[in-house]
Amino acid sequence: ELKVEQNPLFLSMQEGKNYTIYCNYSTTSDRLYWYRQDPGKSLESLFVLLSNGAVKQEGRLMASLDTKARLSTLHITAAVHDLSATYFCAVTRSPYALNFGKGTSLLVTP
Amino acid sequence: KAGVTQTPRYLIKTRGQQVTLSCSPISGHRSVSWYQQTPGQGLQFLFEYFSETQRNKGNFPGRFSGRQFSNSRSEMNVSTLELGDSALYLCASSYSGENTEAFFGQGTRLTVV
Repeated sequence: ELKVEQNPLFLSMQEGKNYTIYCNYSTTSDRLYWYRQDPGKSLESLFVLLSNGAVKQEGRLMASLDTKARLSTLHITAAVHDLSATYFCAVTRSPYALNFGKGTSLLVTP
Repeated sequence: KAGVTQTPRYLIKTRGQQVTLSCSPISGHRSVSWYQQTPGQGLQFLFEYFSETQRNKGNFPGRFSGRQFSNSRSEMNVSTLELGDSALYLCASSYSGENTEAFFGQGTRLTVV
């Protein structure tokens, strides 16, 4: 069974600070996704990481993938309040399905 | 380009009733998958359809079923509703499933009373 573990599950951080969310998965997967979810809303795709060593950046968020360690990170730089949301990582398996982590609930405070 | 459309957005049903949820994927996308989101269990995979065929099914009871039409629109049905079925049901569409990015609809919030 493919397991996806995120940590931390809850994160309160001050504006301007940096932090990293970790996503570990249990079996080989070639593709890892990061999604953002605002309260009561759907999932917004942030990053698709396709291969070992992949790094993608968008604004204050940067995601990386190490397939050998089965680890992805989502790094937040100089956090701002607008980044407050829940962040999910997900990996695909065959037959096709997305396996999600429990999510990291991020609160950025002044 | 229109996104994934789910209807209805909100539903309130009584225990024992059945419900049908609808999902219209992005034009050109042939894979539709469904997920249940609850505070306790998180996001769980229900099933995936591609070209009207169910290719994968998650670990849910037989009360949960689905289908896909020739225009790729999909419906899921839950019969004999239980209180525990209260959840946000999310539909995702992708071009072909594996190795293609999935885009999610706004979801249907189902409340069973």
